[in-house]
Amino acid sequence: KNEVEQSPQNLTAQEGEFITINCSYSVGISALHWLQQHPGGGIVSLFMLSSGKKKHGRLIATINIQEKHSSLHITASHPRDSAVYICAVRSGSTDKLIFGTGTRLQVFP
Amino acid sequence: DAGVTQSPTHLIKTRGQHVTLRCSPISGHKSVSWYQQVLGQGPQFIFQYYEKEERGRGNFPDRFSARQFPNYSSELNVNALLLGDSALYLCASSLDEVGYQPQHFGDGTRLSIL
Repeated sequence: KNEVEQSPQNLTAQEGEFITINCSYSVGISALHWLQQHPGGGIVSLFMLSSGKKKHGRLIATINIQEKHSSLHITASHPRDSAVYICAVRSGSTDKLIFGTGTRLQVFP
Repeated sequence: DAGVTQSPTHLIKTRGQHVTLRCSPISGHKSVSWYQQVLGQGPQFIFQYYEKEERGRGNFPDRFSARQFPNYSSELNVNALLLGDSALYLCASSLDEVGYQPQHFGDGTRLSIL
């Protein structure tokens, strides 16, 4: 079992829909990252969380430390949001980043 | 300000050869990490360097090595290339060593082994 699990693996949506991507982890962490990877490989860091909730534009990230779970929400989705969204946790014991396998999102007009 | 830059962007090698990948961090960032991302999977941690010292190593064979220079740029070297080394190699930089600051990723070097 992977230490970081994401769901769903693939997600399609119509423009304007509200989207939720989930991340569960099984290790103790010091921080959790949400990353966006575009076709071709470039990765953009969206959020770094250690507790609570963060919002940036149409993106919202939440984390529940007790349940070892985080969600990334996209409101009013747009085709330009189409990308792979990756959850990564920084292990509290090793300080290494452990990545999920990503959620491929496609938003159609 | 320039982001994290990696070179080359694409590289084709044959089995048994060696390769050197380069990374320049964001100005002021002293930590550089390297990741390998095989097609369809999330990135896997290879190395972290901070202040020119190795601070972390993932589960990769000794064929993989890296170093960080006084200007904080970094090289990843892979010897005796195998077909399975074909992947996107990502470099990320951050201000600190321990992960309290966000990591900034480069666009990666796509390595193909024939």
